[in-house]
Amino acid sequence: YVLTQPPSVSVAPGQTARITCGGNNIGSYGVQWYQQRPGQAPVLVIYYDSDRPSGIPERFSGSTSGNTASLTISRVEAGDEADYYCQVWADSSDPVLFGGGTKLTVL
Amino acid sequence: EVQLVESGGGLVQPGGSLRLSCEASGFTFSRFWMSWVRQAPGKGLEWVANIKQDASEKKYVDSVKGRFTISRDNAKNSLHLQMNSLRAEDTAVYYCARLRPQGLDYWGQGTLVTLSS
Repeated sequence: YVLTQPPSVSVAPGQTARITCGGNNIGSYGVQWYQQRPGQAPVLVIYYDSDRPSGIPERFSGSTSGNTASLTISRVEAGDEADYYCQVWADSSDPVLFGGGTKLTVL
Repeated sequence: EVQLVESGGGLVQPGGSLRLSCEASGFTFSRFWMSWVRQAPGKGLEWVANIKQDASEKKYVDSVKGRFTISRDNAKNSLHLQMNSLRAEDTAVYYCARLRPQGLDYWGQGTLVTLSS
């Protein structure tokens, strides 16, 4: 099973960023999203496709449709510039599967 | 406050061994699955291994099977990764993380393992 993310996404401050994660029937897996700022450890920002952990701003939202999961960041701020990774629980032999990551650049 | 603090990284020659540790605090360690995830320089995240609460189940990515061993000491709130027969491609920052159905919800700051002859 493979998760495919675009290498990069660029957005102006105040606009909306959408980062996609493609995988066969991805909606059936339950998707998590992680934010990793430069030099820092990853942080969980979305779990179970669309739920936010406590402390994560409402500007972050997630959804799935068909073979694509999406992370949407509204009213993008400079501090949102980071790498974003999708993740699913795959099969028993490779239970934790990450996408290749998307670098979000705030112009 | 949940904290995970890794240690044990360093410079090692190919074929050598290293033991990573992760000290956990701020939660009941024995109640959670735990994971190791690594990130090669400039690359993405790669899951390495999982261990169940009582260590009765362990899972590894294929590239480390037979070389790495994950273990835990619930009495000491610690997680370990014994890495043997290290290869150049094992060079990475290694993170420990708490594993829940909701995802890897807490991560340490990582420890760097560098392979160099």
